[in-house]
Amino acid sequence: DIQMTQSPSSLSASVGDRVTITCRASRTVSSYLNWYQQKPGKAPKLLIYAVSTLQSGVPSRFSGGGSGTDFTLSISRLQPEDFATYYCQQSSTVPFTFGPGTKVDIK
Amino acid sequence: EVQLVESGGGLVQPGGSLKLSCAASGFTFKSYWMTWIRQAPGKGLEWVANIKQDGSEKYYVDSVKGRFTISRDNAKNSLYLQMNTLRAEDTAVFYCVRLVSAPHLGDSLDYWGQGTLVTVSS
Repeated sequence: DIQMTQSPSSLSASVGDRVTITCRASRTVSSYLNWYQQKPGKAPKLLIYAVSTLQSGVPSRFSGGGSGTDFTLSISRLQPEDFATYYCQQSSTVPFTFGPGTKVDIK
Repeated sequence: EVQLVESGGGLVQPGGSLKLSCAASGFTFKSYWMTWIRQAPGKGLEWVANIKQDGSEKYYVDSVKGRFTISRDNAKNSLYLQMNTLRAEDTAVFYCVRLVSAPHLGDSLDYWGQGTLVTVSS
């Protein structure tokens, strides 16, 4: 199975900050890397698929990058509604594994 | 509007069985792979199983192979997960999720149900 790691596991930031989350795969996943946002008590929501393509309705302050084994999710100007947990997920090989998550909370 | 509504969760004793259902609406169910994802309390997301549009292909995470069975009824727009020989570590919220595929862009999980809680405890 492909193992996914994320760093940091949590971060504190202020509204308006730029934040970047890193995701690493144990072997190449090509460009088959997705990002999800989950708020407490809610189902996850697809943010970005195929490394950098924003899902419909997702604000442009979110962006994704990387290739192969190393990927990033950036939020350019953090908004109050962005405080949540973010998960990366590879869809290169079954099982479609997730990273452990990065919790973004308010400083 | 795409809707996925899970049901069937509850409290079950270790070694017991439970069948989850997911009612889909707002899209052509038979045209999509479907997925079950679970999340243990306070933990991350775990992909559990996938099923192809016609049910001819199924994939499972190793930890549930031989115990869980994913199935679907396209006439009823429904997805199922039969869970047998349940263990305490299967305790989780189970999500029914639509998988969307795009050429050269891979697969992603674009619509999620609200989840149903399965608790395995004596």
